[in-house]
Amino acid sequence: QQQVKQSPQSLIVQKGGISIINCAYENTAFDYFPWYQQFPGKGPALLIAIRPDVSEKKEGRFTISFNKSAKQFSLHIMDSQPGDSATYFCAALNYGGATNKLIFGTGTLLAVQP
Amino acid sequence: KAGVTQTPRYLIKTRGQQVTLSCSPISGHRSVSWYQQTPGQGLQFLFEYFSETQRNKGNFPGRFSGRQFSNSRSEMNVSTLELGDSALYLCASSLDMNTEAFFGQGTRLTVV
Repeated sequence: QQQVKQSPQSLIVQKGGISIINCAYENTAFDYFPWYQQFPGKGPALLIAIRPDVSEKKEGRFTISFNKSAKQFSLHIMDSQPGDSATYFCAALNYGGATNKLIFGTGTLLAVQP
Repeated sequence: KAGVTQTPRYLIKTRGQQVTLSCSPISGHRSVSWYQQTPGQGLQFLFEYFSETQRNKGNFPGRFSGRQFSNSRSEMNVSTLELGDSALYLCASSLDMNTEAFFGQGTRLTVV
C-alpha cells in the first residue's frame, strides 16, 4: 500500500515532442505528489509538485495532471529539449502524517534526441 | 544560500568495516532525511530526523543508524558493511515538517 508505481521505465522522445510519465498510488492518505529530476552524479531536484485538491498544475513546460478517483498522476514535458534528458522520479508523501518521508516511484530514464 | 552538503562524496570500504556519512542541511532547516539509491531498489527511505529526534525509520537492518545534532547536522552510520550496501546515499533537508525536501549530491559508497 506504500508503493508508487511508475511507467515507463525508459522513454525516447524527439526534440520538440511531448514526454509523458505516469504514476499510480494505492495509499489514499498521500496528499502531496512531487516530481524530481535527477542528472547523473547529482541528487534529485524538485521539479514540480501538486496537492490533490487541484487536477492540474503547470510551471513553464512542465505540467502535472492529477486524477484523484483513479489514484493516478502524470508529468507532461512540453517541447522536450535535449537538456531535459535525465531520470525522473514521481513521489508521494503523507503531509497529514507530520512526516517528510517520500515514497518514490522506480524512475523513468528520459532521452530527448536532437 | 548554500545547499545541502554531503561528505565525503565518494568512499570505498571493505566488507565488515563501518562507515559514517555526514550531511549539513540548508541553513535554518530542521528536518533531515536519508535515502539509499541503488539501480535495483531505487530510492528507499532510511530515516528522518527533526530537532534531534528520529521521527521515522525505514525498513533497514539495525546496522544502519543515524543521529542529528543540535545544529541540525546529521550523520548516518553503517556497521559491518556488506557488498549490498554499495549505493548512493542521499540526504534531504527540509525547513520544517510538511515542507519541500532539497537533496544533496549524495555520497557514493562502494563496498569491496
